[in-house]
Amino acid sequence: GQNIDQPTEMTATEGAIVQINCTYQTSGFNGLFWYQQHAGEAPTFLSYNVLDGLEEKGRFSSFLSRSKGYSYLLLKELQMKDSASYLCAVPASGGSYIPTFGRGTSLIVHP
Amino acid sequence: DAMVIQNPRYQVTQFGKPVTLSCSQTLNHNVMYWYQQKSSQAPKLLFHYYDKDFNNEADTPDNFQSRRPNTSFCFLDIRSPGLGDAAMYLCATSIGGSNSPLHFGNGTRLTVT
Repeated sequence: GQNIDQPTEMTATEGAIVQINCTYQTSGFNGLFWYQQHAGEAPTFLSYNVLDGLEEKGRFSSFLSRSKGYSYLLLKELQMKDSASYLCAVPASGGSYIPTFGRGTSLIVHP
Repeated sequence: DAMVIQNPRYQVTQFGKPVTLSCSQTLNHNVMYWYQQKSSQAPKLLFHYYDKDFNNEADTPDNFQSRRPNTSFCFLDIRSPGLGDAAMYLCATSIGGSNSPLHFGNGTRLTVT
């Protein structure tokens, strides 16, 4: 199975940059997803990484190092609306399409 | 817009009284999933369908059942809800590849009194 670890909570200031880390252990790697989930709402897809390196998408970027079993989500120019939980998810090995989710990192953005 | 719709958004049921949650999709995706999510926890997969093939997670209680009568609809039946079943229930769909993101509905918040 997979083991996914994320910090429980982070705080940051509006306008700043924050990095949310995710480490994973899996017997076979098929990529890594990041989702955003606002309180009381469903998760929404942010990014997918399957190759090493940084993928940039506007204010959000996601980085992957397969050799280290490590990913991070980088949020720039933080806005109050970025206060949410950020979930890291990894599909099971063997070409599975079923993701296992981390418990999420609750990000609180202060004015 | 293509989407995943869950009804109702909020559901209150009594201890032991059967309840059914519904999910529909207009994305024409092969896979439909039901997740249970409790406060500050990761979504926990209950079961999923790949087309008509039903896949039950080993630790999903027998109290939970599911039906997928056609591509568009999927139902979650809780036969005898207990207080511990109070949670957010999330329906999601995907095309079915390992690189396919999940598309979630808005969820149903279940309260058991």
